[in-house]
Amino acid sequence: GAGVSQSPRYKVAKRGQDVALRCDPISGHVSLFWYQQALGQGPEFLTYFQNEAQLDKSGLPSDRFFAERPEGSVSTLKIQRTQQEDSAVYLCASSLAVGGGYTFGSGTRLTVV
Amino acid sequence: GNSVTQMEGPVTLSEEAFLTINCTYTATGYPSLFWYVQYPGEGLQLLLKATKADDKGSNKGFEATYRKETTSFHLEKGSVQVSDSAVYFCALSPGGGGSNYKLTFGKGTLLTVNP
Repeated sequence: GAGVSQSPRYKVAKRGQDVALRCDPISGHVSLFWYQQALGQGPEFLTYFQNEAQLDKSGLPSDRFFAERPEGSVSTLKIQRTQQEDSAVYLCASSLAVGGGYTFGSGTRLTVV
Repeated sequence: GNSVTQMEGPVTLSEEAFLTINCTYTATGYPSLFWYVQYPGEGLQLLLKATKADDKGSNKGFEATYRKETTSFHLEKGSVQVSDSAVYFCALSPGGGGSNYKLTFGKGTLLTVNP
């Protein structure tokens, strides 16, 4: 597609509920990233894929967070047993190669109530 | 670890005013530096970048110079427009190999330009 597409755009979850956030990167982009942006803060790195391989998951806040990219294109970020502190905008980005600047999606705003 | 500190907003200017948003960084080695812009309701967009000391990145009338001696990458524009109203983020990625894909962002600066 023309850009990075994320869905849903907004998600309200009750505390304890599981959620799944989807990212469709630009076709052909090898690298895919997830970032978490809390209100009033800059984005913070969560995880990085090169094709289907998850090369870095050092930014995932806890073992409730899980990301996958099974066929090297679409990626899903799953959060189990959501908690209020998980409320944030989750951004996905993709690129042809690392280091040059990435194309970000519009994000999914998750609110846990 | 790596960090980015940028001028806190909000910044409010009149159209055609001069803009400076300060950004300083802490990093080992030779990071690449970026400015991203986020318009209301949209994703982050790369505005400009510089990959080595003394490089000047420029785009859409904005510019920033990579100053290693002062570890700074200040964003400037000579004459802002209403359409420049957005949140601006300074960011870095580590130099060399290793985790050079990982962006570290500042907290963002909200710019509002009034007609």
